[in-house]
Amino acid sequence: QSALTQPASVSGSPGQSVTISCTGSSSDVGDYNYVSWYAHHPDKAPKLIISDVTTRPSGVSARFSGSKSGNTATLTISGLQAADEADYYCSSYRTNNTWVFGGGTKLTVL
Amino acid sequence: QEQLVESGGAVVQPEESLKLSCTASGFIFSYYSIHWVRQAPGKGLEWVALISYDGNKKYYADSVKGRFTMSRDNSKSTLYLQMNSLKPEDTAVYYCAKRFGVAFDVWGQGTRVTVSS
Repeated sequence: QSALTQPASVSGSPGQSVTISCTGSSSDVGDYNYVSWYAHHPDKAPKLIISDVTTRPSGVSARFSGSKSGNTATLTISGLQAADEADYYCSSYRTNNTWVFGGGTKLTVL
Repeated sequence: QEQLVESGGAVVQPEESLKLSCTASGFIFSYYSIHWVRQAPGKGLEWVALISYDGNKKYYADSVKGRFTMSRDNSKSTLYLQMNSLKPEDTAVYYCAKRFGVAFDVWGQGTRVTVSS
């Protein structure tokens, strides 16, 4: 079960926008609109920030948005803040009630 | 507020067994399917297993199939992960996470399992 592919790291200055890609296959990202994104700050529980490709849960800032094209999903964070610095993971549903995660992307706010 | 708390992590030797627990509060536990997800040192998250709200359906990643077993006691709002024949590559922080649609909306803080001789 290969993991989804994410860049190891991205960075941006406060106020800028960054994007994080998540590439899968026709068995997961490409076949289902069930991509979710999580922010994981050190020593804290991961936090759901996007579900079903584009849906923001209640309480999540509108600065976070998601999209998908083909086998690649994208998380965009606009108006970067220092508090956004964290590891970000994508996840997709895969057939037969299994899920797959990406390898994670470390976001650095310069 | 909705909360999950894992426990039971330990240092064990290869081929030994270990049972993790995950206790829920703040929501009706018996209504929800729950996942286990793990993170090996320096690695990304890895989905491990899912149990349905009533415990009747269970699904496992290939990497743990046949060695790990999920169960739940809805009267105690508690989930279990029985891990047998542990391998060094099972070393990880193990999280339980509540299923929300096809996502994971509530996570615990994790419990650490180390498999080493």
